[in-house]
Amino acid sequence: EAQVTQNPRYLITVTGKKLTVTCSQNMNHEYMSWYRQDPGLGLRQIYYSMNVEVTDKGDVPEGYKVSRKEKRNFPLILESPSPNQTSLYFCASSLSGGNRYGYTFGSGTRLTVV
Amino acid sequence: QQPVQSPQAVILREGEDAVINCSSSKALYSVHWYRQKHGEAPVFLMILLKGGEQKGHEKISASFNEKKQQSSLYLTASQLSYSGTYFCGTEGRETSGSRLTFGEGTQLTVNP
Repeated sequence: EAQVTQNPRYLITVTGKKLTVTCSQNMNHEYMSWYRQDPGLGLRQIYYSMNVEVTDKGDVPEGYKVSRKEKRNFPLILESPSPNQTSLYFCASSLSGGNRYGYTFGSGTRLTVV
Repeated sequence: QQPVQSPQAVILREGEDAVINCSSSKALYSVHWYRQKHGEAPVFLMILLKGGEQKGHEKISASFNEKKQQSSLYLTASQLSYSGTYFCGTEGRETSGSRLTFGEGTQLTVNP
């Protein structure tokens, strides 16, 4: 089944403890992106990647890191999480950049930082 | 810059029609529409790439007015399954296909 898989689905952590949210897609998509969703703010882009080893900042990149060493994987790293990073996170992929193709979203990761 | 969606919420009875609007202050390259049900991931509905383009998906269709920098989503003869939050995603001409910015969403409720 074609899908984007995120792990974990739920995560509660403490301030300052480094964490990684994994994202993997099995559709051979070139483009991948991370969004966070907060009430009243919609989906805001954190980082995106047009292809392997090509990443760039979105609208809200502060406090996050990403890497794209393989085409299928695009992990989101929070080096020192803070409570304002409590949110619902979505990974998405698309066949290619150029926004000519729809995005497939993962099931989401609900992160709570205390 | 985030596109503006209107209305923020709408309540319908089954069989009624609805229109959701999405407007931008920037010239647009493309417009995407997604639906998200509570507790689930957004699901792609359709993409519009050219000014004036219209697309349909069952009883859901959309138009893209490039000059007015806006798009509208039309839901005809609504069904209970149409309930959810609808997001438009827009890309400005200056970002070359790399950045999709979403509106805040329109919450649609269809009652029996």
